[in-house]
Amino acid sequence: AQTVTQSQPEMSVQEAETVTLSCTYDTSESNYYLFWYKQPPSRQMILVIRQEAYKQQNATENRFSVNFQKAAKSFSLKISDSQLGDTAMYFCAFIPLHTGTASKLTFGTGTRLQVTL
Amino acid sequence: KAGVTQTPRYLIKTRGQQVTLSCSPISGHRSVSWYQQTPGQGLQFLFEYFSETQRNKGNFPGRFSGRQFSNSRSEMNVSTLELGDSALYLCASSEGAELAQYFGAGTRLSVL
Repeated sequence: AQTVTQSQPEMSVQEAETVTLSCTYDTSESNYYLFWYKQPPSRQMILVIRQEAYKQQNATENRFSVNFQKAAKSFSLKISDSQLGDTAMYFCAFIPLHTGTASKLTFGTGTRLQVTL
Repeated sequence: KAGVTQTPRYLIKTRGQQVTLSCSPISGHRSVSWYQQTPGQGLQFLFEYFSETQRNKGNFPGRFSGRQFSNSRSEMNVSTLELGDSALYLCASSEGAELAQYFGAGTRLSVL
């Protein structure tokens, strides 16, 4: 069974600053995907960024980037130039890459990020 | 492309009733997954359908069921509602099982 741990229940960052959200996971799988989703107060779950485990290069999407450390089973999200609209709950999620448990996302407990002026 | 559409957005039911939630995936997506989100248990996987077949099921009682139609639209049914079924129910679709899942806005179910 897979587990995803987000050890920071809440974080705060000032506008324009950089913040890093932590995520660790435990799995015996060798091939998998990792995701970061954000859920603003509107509750729509929005995909932020995706990382394929077989890729060594860290994924980036505009102001969002990850630090993927496969050996350490760590997958942190860095948000640069934080904006008020980044205020949301952020979930780290894992999915193995084989048909046995395909499509079952395992989520962490989330980190509530507040961006302040 | 239109996103994932879930209806209704809000539902209020009483204990013992049953409820049906609907999910229309992104056009071309054949995989539809359902999740339950509660403050206490977080996000939990309910089940996944692909081409009208349930391929994966989470640890929920048999009161929770679903189906998928030939146009990939999916419905989730909960029978004999309990207070603990109050939650946000999220539907997600993807092109393939392991690829990125895109979520709808959810259905907020309140059981009184």
